[in-house]
Amino acid sequence: AQSVSQHNHHVILSEAASLELGCNYSYGGTVNLFWYVQYPGQHLQLLLKYFSGDPLVKGIKGFEAEFIKSKFSFNLRKPSVQWSDTAEYFCAVSVIQGAQKLVFGQGTRLTINP
Amino acid sequence: EADIYQTPRYLVIGTGKKITLECSQTMGHDKMYWYQQDPGMELHLIHYSYGVNSTEKGDLSSESTVSRIRTEHFPLTLESARPSHTSQYLCASSEYRQGGSIQYFGAGTRLSVL
Repeated sequence: AQSVSQHNHHVILSEAASLELGCNYSYGGTVNLFWYVQYPGQHLQLLLKYFSGDPLVKGIKGFEAEFIKSKFSFNLRKPSVQWSDTAEYFCAVSVIQGAQKLVFGQGTRLTINP
Repeated sequence: EADIYQTPRYLVIGTGKKITLECSQTMGHDKMYWYQQDPGMELHLIHYSYGVNSTEKGDLSSESTVSRIRTEHFPLTLESARPSHTSQYLCASSEYRQGGSIQYFGAGTRLSVL
C-alpha cells in the first residue's frame, strides 16, 4: 500500500520569505501527485497536480512543485509567501488504476506572520 | 470546479442516535468518496463508489455505511453513534481531466458525539 510523508507539521514564516514543504511517497508504480490546500474554515482545494510530462508543475497563487521520481518526492515551493497563504497543506498520491483513491499525508500547517 | 454539498456542517448528538450525513454533487461525476479526518491528522478513505449501486470499503475501517441509489447522492449513515465517531467527514467526487482523475471536496461535516 502506498503512503505519504510530509516532513514538516508546522511551519512559521514571515511574509516575503521563501517556502518549501517536503513530501515523499512510497509506491513503486506510476502515481498521480497532488497538493491540496485548506484555508481556515474552508473546504479542501486543489493547489496543483502532476499527471505526466514536465516534472515542474505550476499551480494557483504562485505555487509550484517538482516531481523527482528517483527521490519519490513532490515538494511544494513558493518564492515569496503572503499572509493569505496561512493554511493547512496536504500532499496526496493516487494510483492511476481502479478507483484512483487518494492517500494523504498528515498535512503541514503553515502560519505566515505579517 | 465541481460543487459538492454536505449537510449538516456541524452536528452534535448523543450516543446511540442514528445519523445520516448528506452529500450531493451536481456535476454528474460517477466516482464519489468519503474521508474521515481527525484534527491535525491526514484524511483517511472510509468509503467510495464507482457509480450507482456500487459501494466499496476504503482503507480505514469504519462502522458507517453508505448507499448510492442516485448518481448525485452519496449519504453516509451511522446506525448508533458513539464518541469514537467524533471526527470530520469529508465527501468528494472526481472527474477525469487532462490525463488524470481530480477529486473535488465538500466543506465537510464536523460530528461530535457526546
